[in-house]
Amino acid sequence: NAGVTQTPKFQVLKTGQSMTLQCAQDMNHEYMSWYRQDPGMGLRLIHYSVGAGITDQGEVPNGYNVSRSTTEDFPLRLLSAAPSQTSVYFCASGPTGDSNQPQHFGDGTRLSIL
Amino acid sequence: ELKVEQNPLFLSMQEGKNYTIYCNYSTTSDRLYWYRQDPGKSLESLFVLLSNGAVKQEGRLMASLDTKARLSTLHITAAVHDLSATYFCAVDIYSFGGGSEKLVFGKGTKLTVNP
Repeated sequence: NAGVTQTPKFQVLKTGQSMTLQCAQDMNHEYMSWYRQDPGMGLRLIHYSVGAGITDQGEVPNGYNVSRSTTEDFPLRLLSAAPSQTSVYFCASGPTGDSNQPQHFGDGTRLSIL
Repeated sequence: ELKVEQNPLFLSMQEGKNYTIYCNYSTTSDRLYWYRQDPGKSLESLFVLLSNGAVKQEGRLMASLDTKARLSTLHITAAVHDLSATYFCAVDIYSFGGGSEKLVFGKGTKLTVNP
């Protein structure tokens, strides 16, 4: 049972570089989302998707892009990394239509921007 | 804008003692989730609370939801060291398909249980 798989687990970037954080789930969940976790801030929603081809912004979307071409994958793109984007990023997935099921979280990607 | 406040943010307690973590939220919602996070790890779902008056228990943890007061509690009974972790409540603010979707998290309560 893979669940939600995030790659890479760790990454160091220089300011201005771009990169894509990968997220894949094998539970056939319609709903996927990206959160960032900063010390003392809890988790904040960046972008989310309710199905292939449908995405929307969360609370802190600036500096990030997403797309959802398949049910399984939901990559997060940093177009021009900034030190303020240093954080731990979590991807989550869940089934729509069943609020009894909580969102399942990946193990996170720890990203440092120098 | 939905705000979710947890208190306390830090809790140090002795083994065997009882304590309650509080989660207040600012707008109407009847879906609330509790998660546990160990240092450097992912989030683990603890409880799903979906209606006013919902109460769920698992081991030494019991969670409840009062939607009228916009308050959820996580009660710890006879704490043990293994309960040391950070606990988050999260409120669901959107009901696109009836599932758990746009979550707004509290800042977390870091619990340390001392021998």
